[in-house]
Order: sequence, then C-alpha cells, then structure tokens
Amino acid sequence: DAMVIQNPRYQVTQFGKPVTLSCSQTLNHNVMYWYQQKSSQAPKLLFHYYDKDFNNEADTPDNFQSRRPNTSFCFLDIRSPGLGDAAMYLCATSRDLKGETQYFGPGTRLLVL
Amino acid sequence: GENVEQHPSTLSVQEGDSAVIKCTYSDSASNYFPWYKQELGKGPQLIIDIRSNVGEKKDQRIAVTLNKTAKHFSLHITETQPEDSAVYFCAAIRNTGNQFYFGTGTSLTVIP
Repeated sequence: DAMVIQNPRYQVTQFGKPVTLSCSQTLNHNVMYWYQQKSSQAPKLLFHYYDKDFNNEADTPDNFQSRRPNTSFCFLDIRSPGLGDAAMYLCATSRDLKGETQYFGPGTRLLVL
Repeated sequence: GENVEQHPSTLSVQEGDSAVIKCTYSDSASNYFPWYKQELGKGPQLIIDIRSNVGEKKDQRIAVTLNKTAKHFSLHITETQPEDSAVYFCAAIRNTGNQFYFGTGTSLTVIP
C-alpha cells in the first residue's frame, strides 16, 4: 500500500541535544510537509517542500530545519531542542499544491528530558 | 488569512445515535474542505472531503454538507460505534495554495 512512513514513532532526546526525525513516502507526491502538534491542538505547519523548493512558515523558529535529499525522503532537524519542543511531529504529503488532499503519517512523539 | 471555527469541542453520544460537528470559515475563496479523524497517538486520517462545486457528499455512515453562502460545513456520523471515538478536525483550503487552515478539533466519545 502506498503510504507515509515516519521513524521513529517515539524519540527521547536531551535538552539541547540535536535530533533528527525521518519521513518517507511511497506515494510519489511532489509536496512534503512537517507539522508540529501539541496536546489537544490542531497541527501547526512548520514548513513544506515542493519538490526541492523549501518554504518556511514565517513563525517557524530557526531551531527547526529540514532536508529533502530526494522525492521519497524528508527529514526534520531540531538543532537544540528545548522543553517546549516536546510534541507530536507529523509528516504529510500531497500530490501537488493548489487545493490538494494531504496524507499524514503516523507521527513521531518527541520527548525532551 | 482564513479563520476556521469548529464546534463543539467535545461531544458524547450513545452508541447508535448520530453525531454532528460544525465548522465555519471566513475566506470565501476557500473551496476544498477535508475532514480528518485522529485516534490517540496516531496521525490524522482523511475520512471524507468536499469541494465547493457540491453541497453534500456521503460515504456509508459519514456525510459532509457544505453551505458556501453561509460559509459553513458539517460532518454527520450516523449509527455511531465505539470505534468512532476520536478527535475530528475540519480544514479549509484555497485552490490557489495548499495552506491547510485547521479547526480546533472535536473530541468525540461514543458510549457503548
């Protein structure tokens, strides 16, 4: 089945220690997104890639970076995690921009100690 | 930008009853409205969507209605089952971009 895969499902890191979350997709979609979701809140868009073009949301902290080495993979790097960065991180894909359905992965729950 | 309001924030129904969740939006240029179901510890899953050229769409026990004039759309779940218990998010999207404006979510509990 075509799908969006996120690894790991749970990640524990220490305050200030860089961490990388991974996402892969078998849908061959052009667009990949990273969202942050805190408890009882809607997902909040951090950034997205349209092919290799990176688009950062205006209020995404500099502490968050992303890489997309190829169509299938996208990474979220948190350079110096703070306690406030503990959240569920969701990867999503869409075939294209302009009113397309987004398909979400299962998420990675990040815990910062 | 778009503003999506979702009500109620929590909803409890008896098994077999119907559940209705409502969303309103502010941007008349929005023309795509998906609904997502998110179970605890999982990612949101698309359950139904509607585009502005139709007023209603149904898929088995789930239906969505859209009133473009009033700028509101609703999710209807009939014959609810315990496995329908989850958080439901609505969203509104313009055809000129792919910024998802999510509602604040509704936590649905179906009581056996």
